[in-house]
Order: sequence, then C-alpha cells, then structure tokens
Amino acid sequence: GENVEQHPSTLSVQEGDSAVIKCTYSDSASNYFPWYKQELGKRPQLIIDIRSNVGEKKDQRIAVTLNKTAKHFSLHITETQPEDSAVYFCAASKAAGNKLTFGGGTRVLVKP
Amino acid sequence: DGGITQSPKYLFRKEGQNVTLSCEQNLNHDAMYWYRQDPGQGLRLIYYSQIVNDFQKGDIAEGYSVSREKKESFPLTVTSAQKNPTAFYLCASTRSSGGSYEQFFGPGTRLTVL
Repeated sequence: GENVEQHPSTLSVQEGDSAVIKCTYSDSASNYFPWYKQELGKRPQLIIDIRSNVGEKKDQRIAVTLNKTAKHFSLHITETQPEDSAVYFCAASKAAGNKLTFGGGTRVLVKP
Repeated sequence: DGGITQSPKYLFRKEGQNVTLSCEQNLNHDAMYWYRQDPGQGLRLIYYSQIVNDFQKGDIAEGYSVSREKKESFPLTVTSAQKNPTAFYLCASTRSSGGSYEQFFGPGTRLTVL
C-alpha cells in the first residue's frame, strides 16, 4: 500500500520567515495530494491541495509543489505569522472518494 | 466546519467494555472514514465506507467494528479486543464523484480507558 513520509517532524521559524515541509510518497498511482492544518485539540482542516496534472499551486501565502518523477511534494508558507503555528499533515490518495494516507505530521512553531 | 458531527466529545470506558462512537453527516457525501490519532502522531485509517452497506478495513482495523446502514451515519464500535484504545478518534467524509476530493472532518471524540 501507499506510504507517506513527512519531514521535518518539528519546525521553528521566526515570524516573517518562510517554512517548508516536505513529503514523499511510494505509490506512483497516487494523484491527489492535500495538506491539512490541525490546531491543538481541533479537527484537521484542508488548507491547499494539488492534483497530479499540476506542478504548483498557490493560495496567498501558501503554495504546494509536486514532483511526480521524484514522488515528492512540498508545502511552502511565506511571511509566517503566529497563527500559522499548528500541526500540518500531508496526504496522498489515488482518486476522489478514495482513502487518504497521511504523513506523520509537522509541528510548526512561529516565534514572534 | 459544519456538516459532520461526532458524539460524545469525551468518552471514558472501563477495560473490557465495548463503546460506540457516533458520526453523522448531512453533506450528502458517499464516502466516510474513521481515523485514530495518538499524541504527536499522524492519522491512521481504521475503517472506511464508500457506499451504504459496504465498508473496508483500513490499516488498523483489529479490535474495531463499523456499520453503514444509512448514508448519513457511520458509527464505530471500539471492542474489548482493542488492546490500547485510548486515543483521539476522527470521522471524515467526502464525495466520491464530481471533482471535489476534500475530506471534511468531524470535531473528534477523545476516548480514555480507565
């Protein structure tokens, strides 16, 4: 089955700096890659996603890049703010309505 | 955030007891999922269902059971066979067609075995 590895497990950045989280996946048939943000004690919420026919997607301060050949994708957060502090999860899936395989998560701390 | 509800928010269980966690959605989603989250870890899939009256085991199904008698409901039973059930349980749902892949999560149930 699919295996998703996520690095780093913790990331501390100064407010205003950029943060980058990287994930690799094992199944070349995966074609959907979402990123979720989970604040302490809350439910995960989708912040951005990308499909395999696209190499990059951007939404304000957040961007995701995908390298299908290397089977890795990354989340980029620019101009970080304290409210960006949370745990971020990457995931991979083969199709709509299909199960997601999650990475282990990255705890991001933005220091003011 | 709305559309998926889980109850109860907190649940305490004595060893040897079965407990059932509720998950209801009014989003008209076909597929529903149960995940387990342990402290500092990612989400692991327990069971999922892509259609009423059908469900599949996920990666850690041992000690759990589910049913999908209605499209809106996907209850999870944690049986006494589950050796370490204390965890945060999350239910999710998604459409199976129409181009939207997003999984929406419920608020979670925190289960503690005493």
